[in-house]
Amino acid sequence: EAQVTQNPRYLITVTGKKLTVTCSQNMNHEYMSWYRQDPGLGLRQIYYSMNVEVTDKGDVPEGYKVSRKEKRNFPLILESPSPNQTSLYFCASSPTSWENTEAFFGQGTRLTVV
Amino acid sequence: SQQGEEDPQALSIQEGENATMNCSYKTSINNLQWYRQNSGRGLVHLILIRSNEREKHSGRLRVTLDTSKKSSSLLITASRAADTASYFCAYSLYNFNKFYFGSGTKLNVKP
Repeated sequence: EAQVTQNPRYLITVTGKKLTVTCSQNMNHEYMSWYRQDPGLGLRQIYYSMNVEVTDKGDVPEGYKVSRKEKRNFPLILESPSPNQTSLYFCASSPTSWENTEAFFGQGTRLTVV
Repeated sequence: SQQGEEDPQALSIQEGENATMNCSYKTSINNLQWYRQNSGRGLVHLILIRSNEREKHSGRLRVTLDTSKKSSSLLITASRAADTASYFCAYSLYNFNKFYFGSGTKLNVKP
């Protein structure tokens, strides 16, 4: 089954403790991206990747890192999480830059930083 | 920010009625897409309309795009309780690979 898989689905952590949210897709898609969703703000793009080893900042990259060493994986790293990073996070992938194709979304990771 | 606005923020209708939601954006776009989100879950693609198209249909969905007004609308006809969800428009700007979402419309269809 074609899918985007995020792990974990739920995470509670403490301020400053490094964490990684994994994202994997099995559709051989080139384009992957991360979003955060906050009440009243919709979804905002954090980082995106056009292909392996090619990543770039979205609208709200501060406090996040990403890497794209393999085509299928695009982990999101929070080196020193803070409470303002408490949010619902989504990973998405598409065959190419999804301006002309649909994006496939993971089920989300609900992160709480205390 | 290039984030779009949607209205209404919330809409409550009876089953069988039509639901219309609107999206406005700030600058020229490549195309515009609509997504549905059920209760905090992942988004599901509904329809894509290109910047040179004015109207598109898919089943009970009708999307219009007015590039002169920088706006789009999504019409769901003969709504069902299963249509209860949040709806988001999404778009990219010319020559950019960043994507922006509207603020969303929360639709409640009462049986």
